[in-house]
Amino acid sequence: EIVLTQSPGTLSLSPGGRATLSCRASQTVTSNYLAWYQQKPGQAPRLLIYGASSRATGIPDRFSGSGSGTDFTLTINRLEPEDFAVYYCQQYGISPPYTFGQGTKLEIK
Amino acid sequence: EVQVVESGGGLVQPGRSLRLSCAASGFTFHDYAMHWVRQAPGKGLEWVAGISWNSDSIGYADSVKGHLTISRDNAKNSLYLQMNGLRPEDTAVYYCAKGSGFAFLQYWFDSWGQGTLVTVSS
Repeated sequence: EIVLTQSPGTLSLSPGGRATLSCRASQTVTSNYLAWYQQKPGQAPRLLIYGASSRATGIPDRFSGSGSGTDFTLTINRLEPEDFAVYYCQQYGISPPYTFGQGTKLEIK
Repeated sequence: EVQVVESGGGLVQPGRSLRLSCAASGFTFHDYAMHWVRQAPGKGLEWVAGISWNSDSIGYADSVKGHLTISRDNAKNSLYLQMNGLRPEDTAVYYCAKGSGFAFLQYWFDSWGQGTLVTVSS
């Protein structure tokens, strides 16, 4: 099973700033099968990034994903008030189980 | 518009059974894999089970093998999760999620329902 570790656990930033979220895998993620999701309180997760760096439909270009192998990053530029939420990375490889990171909470400073 | 809507959650005693349903619309249901993901109160996301477009390929998290069963009915555009022998640690919001491809592996989840809460308690 691939274990995903996200850091930091909580990130406190101001609107307009830049957020850098990390996701580290315990072993190589096949073909960069790595996704990022955003979840706001009381809501379902929403897909942001798939394939490590491809933006999902309707996601602003302020959101970008990068990385390969075992180290992945989600960057959010020009933070908007609606960006403050919990972010999860997920690997969706060639064998079960799918796994999620424990989440990074992005909060307003 | 793609929509998946869960139902069937509620309060249930330990050891009892429950069946969750997920009604899909706005896409060709039989072309896509589907999944169940759960989230315990105040915790992160946990993949529970996935099923391929034609039910030929199914996978489960180790934590639920043997007491949760995923299935689908393509004629009814519906996904199900049969939950037997429920335990307090099964308490969670259960989300239905649409896979982005026909296989349940190697594809991300591109649409999620709002979830249904299952509480296992005496």
